[in-house]
Amino acid sequence: QQQVRQSPQSLTVWEGETAILNCSYENSAFDYFPWYQQFPGEGPALLISILSVSNKKEDGRFTIFFNKREKKLSLHIADSQPGDSATYFCAASGWANTGKLTFGHGTILRVHP
Amino acid sequence: EAAVTQSPRSKVAVTGGKVTLSCHQTNNHDYMYWYRQDTGHGLRLIHYSYVADSTEKGDIPDGYKASRPSQENFSLILELASLSQTAVYFCASSDAGQTNTGQLYFGEGSKLTVL
Repeated sequence: QQQVRQSPQSLTVWEGETAILNCSYENSAFDYFPWYQQFPGEGPALLISILSVSNKKEDGRFTIFFNKREKKLSLHIADSQPGDSATYFCAASGWANTGKLTFGHGTILRVHP
Repeated sequence: EAAVTQSPRSKVAVTGGKVTLSCHQTNNHDYMYWYRQDTGHGLRLIHYSYVADSTEKGDIPDGYKASRPSQENFSLILELASLSQTAVYFCASSDAGQTNTGQLYFGEGSKLTVL
């Protein structure tokens, strides 16, 4: 059972465009939603995260929009740069303070110059 | 300077053989994790630990054992490696317990090929 789903599997945008990556979840107990960015040959690294008490979180060009009622969230990458080309994982956990995350399958983003 | 280091970075093993993947962290974190990454499957939690000398099962523990001899070190053991265990394995540490969410800090991964 896939508790965290991501779409699309891959996305290609031109430099300067806004990339939109989608995520949905099933477990109502999930309260914490981080996005991890992974470059080839490297481990994932935290990009931005949101708690379910908020509906929006911004950090520079990266914004998370969160809809608790629909159990959906999205990551918007504004003014996409070729250096943003990577795999993006949506993850989720409850406020159990264990750091145990359930990951989605990832979205591969390619930004063409 | 990497805070989470894994060894080996790459290994080829034979079916039925024993494999040990090692992880060392200098983050002073209590929590450590082993995740497995397969193409198209994201990352799945195998084992984790929140204190030395204790380990917990994750979502896919079958076929794997874990050992946490100290706060800094966490090993993943495949007693009888199988073809289906070919994957990239990531170790991570977390500040869970010190924060209310727990950011994961990953190592660079260990690519295991079982033939």
